[in-house]
Amino acid sequence: NAGVTQTPKFRVLKTGQSMTLLCAQDMNHEYMYWYRQDPGMGLRLIHYSVGEGTTAKGEVPDGYNVSRLKKQNFLLGLESAAPSQTSVYFCASANPGTGVNEQFFGPGTRLTVL
Amino acid sequence: QKEVEQDPGPLSVPEGAIVSLNCTYSNSAFQYFMWYRQYSRKGPELLMYTYSSGNKEDGRFTAQVDKSSKYISLFIRDSQPSDSATYLCALGGTSYGKLTFGQGTILTVHP
Repeated sequence: NAGVTQTPKFRVLKTGQSMTLLCAQDMNHEYMYWYRQDPGMGLRLIHYSVGEGTTAKGEVPDGYNVSRLKKQNFLLGLESAAPSQTSVYFCASANPGTGVNEQFFGPGTRLTVL
Repeated sequence: QKEVEQDPGPLSVPEGAIVSLNCTYSNSAFQYFMWYRQYSRKGPELLMYTYSSGNKEDGRFTAQVDKSSKYISLFIRDSQPSDSATYLCALGGTSYGKLTFGQGTILTVHP
């Protein structure tokens, strides 16, 4: 099993350009999440999904859109990139249960917006 | 005020030292308490979790929770250079498996 994979690994954008980050998981998990990680800020939740066809806003959703057309994929879009969106983006997945919902993370995408 | 505050560090300790990493939180609704470890340029991985107040041991690692004080800690005994990483506390149990992370503490263990 590959677990959680993210594409691309690195990207440099100019201000105003758009791009889509792809997250794929092969663990049949219901829940998927997108985070950004900035120095001194920890991981902040951008958007999440609790199942195919559903999405919801997290802590820092502005400037991002998401889609979950297939259970195994969760896409994060930047319509008009800004330098403030320079960050490392992590995708995670988890399954609902009565106990601890361990989130499994991908390797991250390093995005620089010039 | 953030829901979860973590001592930012960075921490630099000699091999064999005991390391203490700490977080405080403000939301009583959190039901479980986790520690993730993140190596440089990698995604976070779950290290330990616990539900209740008290201590939980796993080898050289001990997770401690004090719900009355809203304080959680991770202790690393006999620290090794391979423990050098960023440690993130994560609190959950509010809804949809969402986790609230601390800022992370960068730990370096030097030989």
